[in-house]
Amino acid sequence: QKEVEQDPGPLSVPEGAIVSLNCTYSNSAFQYFMWYRQYSRKGPELLMYTYSSGNKEDGRFTAQVDKSSKYISLFIRDSQPSDSATYLCAMSARGGSEKLVFGKGTKLTVNP
Amino acid sequence: DAGVIQSPRHEVTEMGQEVTLRCKPISGHDYLFWYRQTMMRGLELLIYFNNNVPIDDSGMPEDRFSAKMPNASFSTLKIQPSEPRDSAVYFCASSLWQAIGGYTFGSGTRLTVV
Repeated sequence: QKEVEQDPGPLSVPEGAIVSLNCTYSNSAFQYFMWYRQYSRKGPELLMYTYSSGNKEDGRFTAQVDKSSKYISLFIRDSQPSDSATYLCAMSARGGSEKLVFGKGTKLTVNP
Repeated sequence: DAGVIQSPRHEVTEMGQEVTLRCKPISGHDYLFWYRQTMMRGLELLIYFNNNVPIDDSGMPEDRFSAKMPNASFSTLKIQPSEPRDSAVYFCASSLWQAIGGYTFGSGTRLTVV
């Protein structure tokens, strides 16, 4: 079993839809959870990070962590065509610049 | 700041040739990471440096791969000899030690070995 599992999609939604992206993991030592966004032909960029369990909201984006289920989610409200990208979850056991373990990414297309 | 700069953006080479990928991290960042991305395996960490010192190279697939960081502003990843299965996008990223997950990635080098 891989440490981090993420459905690669692709996921296609109409503009304005609510998008749910998810990852599961097996390493109970993970405490720091991140979501990266990667546009085509670009490097990933950090979107949000969460420590331990709970929710974090930033504008149209909400990150949720359920450590008991080893499950994390990213919700995008009122999705826009500019949100079309690949979304990668990433996690680590310690803070600081600890090496991250990434999911394979989910490719999202938001259609106008 | 110009961000993390990688060169070349694209590289096409023949099997058996030596390939050198280059990275200039963000000034002041003390961590540097080399990742490889493929459709099959996603993003894989190859090696990372702290203050120019290699910390973990357990992700380097074979002895054909080597990485150096001679100073704080430059790193190379070398593949010799290259093989078709090395074809991938190679990313360099840098960060500050206290920046939780706050890697800044370069735009990558797309390597094709024919």
